[in-house]
Amino acid sequence: GAGVSQSPSNKVTEKGKDVELRCDPISGHTALYWYRQSLGQGLEFLIYFQGNSAPDKSGLPSDRFSAERTGGSVSTLTIQRTQQEDSAVYLCASSLGTGTHYEQYFGPGTRLTVT
Amino acid sequence: AQSVTQLGSHVSVSEGALVLLRCNYSSSVPPYLFWYVQYPNQGLQLLLKYTSAATLVKGINGFEAEFKKSETSFHLTKPSAHMSDAAEYFCAVSVDQAGTALIFGKGTTLSVSS
Repeated sequence: GAGVSQSPSNKVTEKGKDVELRCDPISGHTALYWYRQSLGQGLEFLIYFQGNSAPDKSGLPSDRFSAERTGGSVSTLTIQRTQQEDSAVYLCASSLGTGTHYEQYFGPGTRLTVT
Repeated sequence: AQSVTQLGSHVSVSEGALVLLRCNYSSSVPPYLFWYVQYPNQGLQLLLKYTSAATLVKGINGFEAEFKKSETSFHLTKPSAHMSDAAEYFCAVSVDQAGTALIFGKGTTLSVSS
């Protein structure tokens, strides 16, 4: 079956512009996660959803970052007024549920470059 | 708070040699530990995980890891490296027992030479 898909695969934007990154989880997966992978910081957890709700938003780096999930499926990560330090690969993962016995399946990521 | 330290950002081995990638963790509660592999331009793939059932965990592609509480370590090993093992490897610990999010180490790039 299809895995986690993310779009776009690459995004180049000018500093100050808003961007939206999309994640399509595996069908039937109720949990969805966003991570950021950057050279300086490695892999960082940003936010997770159980269904449409996000119990833990503490990983979002600033109030310019927001995420939503609708219909328990697709999720969008929005970065407003992008800065150069936002340049990174944004990874999405999904799992059947939360809990360590549920494997997180990762998408290929969206590479964001802010010029 | 949980954290993970991967010793060595880059490890080089010859084909057929032992692979040893080091991971030490810090956790205030019994940890759940994971190893992921990332091939170029691909997402992360789970190699194996420790969830307190057995200290020696076997994963895919011939990899295994041993949980050593006394050493707070979870090193990844493979007896004989293959060229296809060249990739980046990440050790991770779950933030809480619900496993809602993972804290990753900075990664170790494995190079395999013929």
